[in-house]
Amino acid sequence: AQSVTQLGSHVSVSEGALVLLRCNYSSSVPPYLFWYVQYPNQGLQLLLKYTTGATLVKGINGFEAEFKKSEASFHLTKPSAHMSDAAEYFCAVRILTTDSWGKLQFGAGTQVVVTP
Amino acid sequence: NAGVTQTPKFQVLKTGQSMTLQCAQDMNHEYMSWYRQDPGMGLRLIHYSVGAGITDQGEVPNGYNVSRSTTEDFPLRLLSAAPSQTSVYFCASSYRDPNVVDSPLHFGNGTRLTVT
Repeated sequence: AQSVTQLGSHVSVSEGALVLLRCNYSSSVPPYLFWYVQYPNQGLQLLLKYTTGATLVKGINGFEAEFKKSEASFHLTKPSAHMSDAAEYFCAVRILTTDSWGKLQFGAGTQVVVTP
Repeated sequence: NAGVTQTPKFQVLKTGQSMTLQCAQDMNHEYMSWYRQDPGMGLRLIHYSVGAGITDQGEVPNGYNVSRSTTEDFPLRLLSAAPSQTSVYFCASSYRDPNVVDSPLHFGNGTRLTVT
């Protein structure tokens, strides 16, 4: 079975400080990994994704994430938090099935609060 | 380009009532899906479709029906609403092409449903 675990349901960071959101997954096959962001009263938007190749991936709004197979992790970081980063962040794993279709499994989400 | 459009944005039902949540996309995506979002549980897949005339169950299908008569539309039906179905519902779509299996999901802005 595959699963996604996000450590910490709420994270508070100061403006200008490092943002670090943790995501661990369990999978018996190489996964496709995603980070999505949800702003208040909106749907989810893709921040970045890892499929194959370079393990450090860069996304929108200055976010990046590193796939570490040995740790089964895909942590999301941003060097300097901005007030506009306040949102809920979801890690997701897409597991391919025999018909080439995958089902996306989401973590429980991490709410980020940015303080001045 | 409207993307994924969901209606209504808000709905209040009484237990036992029925209703249909509408979802339409204008990106010619073959894959469409419905998720529900509950606090602390992330997003859970209800039903999905890989093309017109094809639907399948997700993680939490009980109490919900779907149909896919056209590529553009994927309505979600609640036949007899229950308080446990109080949630925020998201429709999402993506391409079907196996060569782009890493194509991200495009989300609508959600429908907030309350069942009393």
